[in-house]
Parts: sequence; structure tokens; C-alpha cells
Amino acid sequence: SQTIHQWPATLVQPVGSPLSLECTVEGTSNPNLYWYRQAAGRGLQLLFYSVGIGQISSEVPQNLSASRPQDRQFILSSKKLLLSDSGFYLCAWRRGQGDEAFFGQGTRLTVV
Amino acid sequence: AQTVTQSQPEMSVQEAETVTLSCTYDTSENNYYLFWYKQPPSRQMILVIRQEAYKQQNATENRFSVNFQKAAKSFSLKISDSQLGDTAMYFCAFMKLSGNTPLVFGKGTRLSVIA
Repeated sequence: SQTIHQWPATLVQPVGSPLSLECTVEGTSNPNLYWYRQAAGRGLQLLFYSVGIGQISSEVPQNLSASRPQDRQFILSSKKLLLSDSGFYLCAWRRGQGDEAFFGQGTRLTVV
Repeated sequence: AQTVTQSQPEMSVQEAETVTLSCTYDTSENNYYLFWYKQPPSRQMILVIRQEAYKQQNATENRFSVNFQKAAKSFSLKISDSQLGDTAMYFCAFMKLSGNTPLVFGKGTRLSVIA
């Protein structure tokens, strides 16, 4: 069966510090991968998605970047965090057309 | 671009009663999928139900059913015999059938089931 792992679960970082959130999927190959952000009281905002190694599509220009160094690994990064980067970050994957997305357990990021 | 609108930020329902959550969407696509996801306090996103646009029959999963009105671009979720464990955020989502495009989510409805 397929599983998705996302870590860390919670993170408190000072303004200006770097960020690296990691997401890995097991039990499948060539998944479509997504990073969403959920701000307090808001819906899910798509940040990045990837259909293959090294292929990253950015939905919202901002202080974040994403990379896919391996088929089942998706990393969300920032060189310098802003207060506005605080939120709940969700990684998700799906096989392809018509399939629902499966989500990781999320990372609660607080920038102080 | 597709948009998904959930017009009810918060709702409440008595235990064992029935509640309907609304969702409308805007698209020029003819073939697509619609989903309802549940996010309980644990914040884990869980798929509740899905509907293929080419199917006229409304999807049903136990106590959860949808009312899919394609012409009206409406996709409401009905929860019957509400249980305390149904307390959660509920998100409606849209996905094009073609390509590998991501799911587009609404802003969610916070449902509280009251004992």
C-alpha cells in the first residue's frame, strides 16, 4: 500500500532563518506531488506541484521554493522566512488523471 | 481557471440530524471530478466522497451522499444521522480530468455536531 510521510510535524523558526520541509511517498512510482498551505481560517492554497523529477510548477510567487530531487521526494524550502510564512503546510500525492489526492499529516510552521 | 465556492463558513447540527453543506464551482470543462474532504481536529485530510462529472447518479458512501447538479455547477454534501466524530472542516474540491492538474479547493465549511 502507498503511504506518505511528511516531517516535521511542528516547527518554530525565527524570522530570517531557512526552512526545509520534506515529504516522501512510498509504495508507488512517478506520483504527482503537491505542496499546499492552509492559513488560519482559510482554505488550501496550492503552492507548488510536480509531475516528475526536477519538474516544478509554481502557483503563487512568494518567498518559498520547491524541489524534487528524487521520484518520491518533494521538498519545500525558504532561504529566509517571513512572519507571513506561518501556517499549516500539507504535502499530497496522486497517481494521475482522475485519482484523488492523498495527504500527509501536515507541518505546523510558526515563524516568530 | 476553475474556482470553488463554499458559501457557509460555519454550520452546526444536532447529533443524529441531517445537514447539507453547499459547494458551487465554475469551469468550462465538461469532464472533471469533484471531491469532498474532511479535516478533523487532527488536521489529517480524509477523502469523504468523489463524483465523476460524466455520471448522472449521485455518489453515496454510507451516511454521506452528494447532490450533483452539473448544469447548475452545484455539488452539495449531505450528512445523515450526524455523529460527534463528524465535527470537522469540510472542503469541496474540483479536478479537471485532462492532464495532471492539481485539485482546486474551496475555503471550507467548519461543521460542529452538537450532542
